[in-house]
Amino acid sequence: AQKITQTQPGMFVQEKEAVTLDCTYDTSDPSYGLFWYKQPSSGEMIFLIYQGSYDQQNATEGRYSLNFQKARKSANLVISASQLGDSAMYFCAMREMDLTGANSKLTFGKGITLSVRP
Amino acid sequence: DTGVSQDPRHKITKRGQNVTFRCDPISEHNRLYWYRQTLGQGPEFLTYFQNEAQLEKSRLLSNRFSAERPKGSFSTLEIQRTEQGDSAMYLCASSIQGGVSPNEKLFFGSGTQLSVL
Repeated sequence: AQKITQTQPGMFVQEKEAVTLDCTYDTSDPSYGLFWYKQPSSGEMIFLIYQGSYDQQNATEGRYSLNFQKARKSANLVISASQLGDSAMYFCAMREMDLTGANSKLTFGKGITLSVRP
Repeated sequence: DTGVSQDPRHKITKRGQNVTFRCDPISEHNRLYWYRQTLGQGPEFLTYFQNEAQLEKSRLLSNRFSAERPKGSFSTLEIQRTEQGDSAMYLCASSIQGGVSPNEKLFFGSGTQLSVL
């Protein structure tokens, strides 16, 4: 089974409106972290927001917020007041923690393309 | 802090040739990762170092691939006898991590785009 699922092939949003990018995950570890990264056409992966599995509140970072629904295993990214510069690929990722902490790799989904229309 | 630097940005090579990529992490970062990304996919983990020790390698990393991080600073990724299937973006990332936690944040470079003809 895929660890991270991003099924939206491409999303369009009007400038200044809000948009939600979906992400579901699969893990049996009690401790894990969820991340969203942005990848513009330049190629660099830019960290946006982090949510820990034990965090009680949904994470927020400026215009980015994470709608974390643990029982549904979903971690959707909400971008408010979209800007033209938000046009990019967006990746959801997860780090699972085993008992030794040795498994530190970040596992990424396939990504979602977001296009912001003026 | 200049960020993670990767060199070269682009590499075109003929099948069967060897290639080497370099990654300079953010100074003081003790962990360094290599990922591979093909078109339309998310990055896939290849290997990572903590200081100079290579702690994990993916099954994706065939014996034609080797990575080093001498002295725990910059890292090199070498691909021997390149194949067309090796064409991809190779991303390097670094982090500073003192213990065991899921919130380790990776800082990525802009990648090296490899095209094997």
